Amino acid sequence: GAVVSQHPSRVICKSGTSVKIECRSLDFQATTMFWYRQFPKQSLMLMATSNEGSKATYEQGVEKDKFLINHASLTLSTLTVTSAHPEDSSFYICSASDGGETQYFGPGTRLLVL
Amino acid sequence: GENVEQHPSTLSVQEGDSAVIKCTYSDSASNYFPWYKQELGKGPQLIIDIRSNVGEKKDQRIAVTLNKTAKHFSLHITETQPEDSAVYFCAATLDKIIFGKGTRLHILP
Repeated sequence: GAVVSQHPSRVICKSGTSVKIECRSLDFQATTMFWYRQFPKQSLMLMATSNEGSKATYEQGVEKDKFLINHASLTLSTLTVTSAHPEDSSFYICSASDGGETQYFGPGTRLLVL
Repeated sequence: GENVEQHPSTLSVQEGDSAVIKCTYSDSASNYFPWYKQELGKGPQLIIDIRSNVGEKKDQRIAVTLNKTAKHFSLHITETQPEDSAVYFCAATLDKIIFGKGTRLHILP
């Protein structure tokens, strides 16, 4: 149980384009979803927290107009990186919670912006 | 805010030996402490967790201990196997999860 999927697993895009990453909870209802960014050999950095049906809460320093988050249902959240640039290249990981303390993580999406 | 320190950053142990990873946290109000294992190119996987009302928890070869007074908690892996090689993250949770910087565990054949 508690399986979280992400799609795509890898994406390469040109600078200036937008990229959408999907995060799905497959066998539970995720009242809260989280988006993290991870640079090589570093820890996870929380970008934002989203609750179903409401606006996401962004961490300090994260541009909400650049990283658009939508949590339209209890099983799906999307992260859109708008006008992506090479410095946005990173490993993006979502996690989901059913309201409890435990977060279940997805497999991650590796984004490369050329 | 909460701050989590994790040591060591890298750990190499002989296959079959035990591995211990230690973490400290700063906010005494934190009440939930999960441990995650992350393999290369994958997302973190929850391997064990402990709540503040418990001092120790064990699941087969993995155990976690918590000392609330000292604000530190540890992960113990016994009889290590090659598949235990990965990066391990400790975390402390109050209103959100704060991760340690990770420990890269190498199991030597």
